[in-house]
Amino acid sequence: AQSVTQLGSHVSVSEGALVLLRCNYSSSVPPYLFWYVQYPNQGLQLLLKYTTGATLVKGINGFEAEFKKSETSFHLTKPSAHMSDAAEYFCAVSRRRGNQFYFGTGTSLTVIP
Amino acid sequence: KAGVTQTPRYLIKTRGQQVTLSCSPISGHRSVSWYQQTPGQGLQFLFEYFSETQRNKGNFPGRFSGRQFSNSRSEMNVSTLELGDSALYLCASSTSGSGGDTQYFGPGTRLTVL
Repeated sequence: AQSVTQLGSHVSVSEGALVLLRCNYSSSVPPYLFWYVQYPNQGLQLLLKYTTGATLVKGINGFEAEFKKSETSFHLTKPSAHMSDAAEYFCAVSRRRGNQFYFGTGTSLTVIP
Repeated sequence: KAGVTQTPRYLIKTRGQQVTLSCSPISGHRSVSWYQQTPGQGLQFLFEYFSETQRNKGNFPGRFSGRQFSNSRSEMNVSTLELGDSALYLCASSTSGSGGDTQYFGPGTRLTVL
């Protein structure tokens, strides 16, 4: 069965500091990996995804994530946090067959001015 | 292209009632998935429809049902509402629903059960 673990339900960073949100998955076969962001009272917006190829994936708003098979991780980073980055972030995986998504419990990011 | 739309955005019902939520996918998308989001349980998969057929189902009671129409629009129905059904219900669409397809989410329907 697929599962996704997001370490840290709440993360606070200062404006301009590095953002690091952690995601680990459990699967015998590397799944497809996604990061979504959710702003208050809105749906989820895709930040980036990994399917195949280059393991460092660049997304929108300056975010990127690196797929590390040996560590079963897909951590999300951004070099310099902006106030507008404050939101809930979800890591998700989908299997190689089918399109059912399994979501982590989310990480709430607070950016301190 | 217009995004995924969900109606209504907000809904208040009482226990025992039933409710129907609607989702219009992005034009050309044939797969529609539904999720329930609550503070305690997070995002949980309800079911997925593709070409009017339910293809995957999550671990929810039979009170939760859905359907998809020939134009790919989808509805989900919850009968005999319980207080615990209060949640944000999210609909997501994708092109073919195959592995690796991006799911595009609507803004959700906020259901409150009193």
